[in-house]
Amino acid sequence: KNQVEQSPQSLIILEGKNCTLQCNYTVSPFSNLRWYKQDTGRGPVSLTIMTFSENTKSNGRYTATLDADTKQSSLHITASQLSDSASYICVGLQSGGGADGLTFGKGTHLIIQP
Amino acid sequence: DTGVSQDPRHKITKRGQNVTFRCDPISEHNRLYWYRQTLGQGPEFLTYFQNEAQLEKSRLLSDRFSAERPKGSFSTLEIQRTEQGDSAMYLCASSLSNPAPQYFGPGTRLTVL
Repeated sequence: KNQVEQSPQSLIILEGKNCTLQCNYTVSPFSNLRWYKQDTGRGPVSLTIMTFSENTKSNGRYTATLDADTKQSSLHITASQLSDSASYICVGLQSGGGADGLTFGKGTHLIIQP
Repeated sequence: DTGVSQDPRHKITKRGQNVTFRCDPISEHNRLYWYRQTLGQGPEFLTYFQNEAQLEKSRLLSDRFSAERPKGSFSTLEIQRTEQGDSAMYLCASSLSNPAPQYFGPGTRLTVL
């Protein structure tokens, strides 16, 4: 069964600090891994998409890494801002799995404090 | 605004009533998805259309739920005889063919009293 596990469940950091969110996935056959940002009461917004051949991808202050051997991904946020407060959801896509081939993690709830 | 839109944004209804939600995807996207999300959980897949064809339905989609995409553009999700357990955020997303990213709408928050 495909699974995506995220840690920590929640995280509180001070504005300006860096943080790293973790994602362990079991998705087979693997196509790509996605990170989404979801503000409270809003739909998720795509941050990055990585295939198995990509080790790292950046989107502004967000940098995602992927280790296809250990099936782990991380999302690093640099110089956090208050607007980074949100849930960050890791999603694995199964190759050839159709729409049901997307496996969502439960998300990491990040709070940035001033 | 050329993003995915959903209507209404909030719906409060009494148990047993029927509700219908609408999703307008990004115009050139041929794929449209419906998800349900409860507090503290990731989105759960409900159903998916490619153009006007409903290609997949989750086991979560009981016979009280029905979705349509009659002209391959907007879609509706109807819940009949609502139950308190149906209270959730209902998200719509659209995309081009995989592995293109999905673009999510703002969601419709349903509260069943």
